Amino acid sequence: QSALTQPASVSGSPGQSITISCIGNSSDVGIYTFVSWYQHHPGKAPKLLIFGVSKRPAGVSDRFSGAKSGKTASLTISGLQAEDEATYHCGSYSTRSSWVFGGGTKLTVL
Amino acid sequence: EVQLVESGGAVIQPGGSLRLSCVASGFNFEDYTMDWVRQAPGKGLEWVSRMSWDGETTYYAESVKGRFTISRDNSENSLYLQMNSLRSEDTAFYYCVKDGGYSFEFDHWGQGTLVTVSS
Repeated sequence: QSALTQPASVSGSPGQSITISCIGNSSDVGIYTFVSWYQHHPGKAPKLLIFGVSKRPAGVSDRFSGAKSGKTASLTISGLQAEDEATYHCGSYSTRSSWVFGGGTKLTVL
Repeated sequence: EVQLVESGGAVIQPGGSLRLSCVASGFNFEDYTMDWVRQAPGKGLEWVSRMSWDGETTYYAESVKGRFTISRDNSENSLYLQMNSLRSEDTAFYYCVKDGGYSFEFDHWGQGTLVTVSS
């Protein structure tokens, strides 16, 4: 069982917006702003989308945005495109110098 | 362009040992903390181990502490993971990952190497 809780799957139609939640606790998401999100297409290397809760690395589309409230972080993808179909993982720094991830959310673009 | 290329994955019997390697290019390897992250079939990502830029500081997940050892050779731009006393639950894709240096994010990943622990 993963330390962070994500929905197993979400879906949306092209052009729509979807939000993926990532629920942690008072050892990770609840006390740190070190939340990141990764996009993973099968057979490829995972790609960093969001770091520090809401910052985007250079080259990442502004259709991807992150936020946090209490122990829950979220990733919103706006203007869904077919190429967004992938698995999305959230991650967070945790106490005692460890890092935790969610179980991953498979996004289907209908 | 940052590239991380893992190798060394194999099918290994329980109790066996394996050494994974990762060769880095496209950035100043000696300046960055590096990690290993794994993903078991059908499961989420799991952080495994971390080593500081100078090799002086290491961290391990509780699930591998005492069995796995991370190391690096900055002269060879290489990161290693020595895995001993392997268990079936260690079966996973192992990813070599570069730390982004800002907010404990992992900003570049390799494509992974598969370790299968099975008799």
